[in-house]
Amino acid sequence: EAQVTQNPRYLITVTGKKLTVTCSQNMNHEYMSWYRQDPGLGLRQIYYSMNVEVTDKGDVPEGYKVSRKEKRNFPLILESPSPNQTSLYFCASSPWLGETYEQYFGPGTRLTVT
Amino acid sequence: AQTVTQSQPEMSVQEAETVTLSCTYDTSENNYYLFWYKQPPSRQMILVIRQEAYKQQNATENRFSVNFQKAAKSFSLKISDSQLGDTAMYFCAFTDNYGQNFVFGPGTRLSVLP
Repeated sequence: EAQVTQNPRYLITVTGKKLTVTCSQNMNHEYMSWYRQDPGLGLRQIYYSMNVEVTDKGDVPEGYKVSRKEKRNFPLILESPSPNQTSLYFCASSPWLGETYEQYFGPGTRLTVT
Repeated sequence: AQTVTQSQPEMSVQEAETVTLSCTYDTSENNYYLFWYKQPPSRQMILVIRQEAYKQQNATENRFSVNFQKAAKSFSLKISDSQLGDTAMYFCAFTDNYGQNFVFGPGTRLSVLP
């Protein structure tokens, strides 16, 4: 089944404790992206990647890191989480070549930082 | 920077009736792509419909259609014959001709009433 998976689905952590949210897609998509969703703000793009070893900042990259060492994986790293990073996070992928730009989203990760 | 505005935080409609959700955007680009995504209570993001700015014909997908007014920078979604399963958050989204940066609106919460 073609899908984007994220782990964990739910995470409660404390301020300053490094964490990683994994994202994997099995559709051989070139493009992958991370978003955070907050009430009243919609989804805001954190980072995106056009292909392996190619990443770029979105609109809200502060406090986050990403890497793209393999085409299928695009982990989101919070080196020192803070309470303002409490949010719902989505990973998405897209067959960028072909210019449909339709994104396939993962199920979301609910992160709470206390 | 591009922005996307959805001026209706919440809407409701009776089952089988028609409802229109509004979206306006701001860009200096001539070619770009617009999307409507649906997010039901399951939180899964589902693509509803896509419009390429260079196409004058409005996109249609079954009961969903758009009214794309390029000069007015408006992209409204019309849902005909509303069904209970249409109850969800609806997000309008924009990407430029390169399909890298995505900007989402704040969302409209639609309730379909029996």
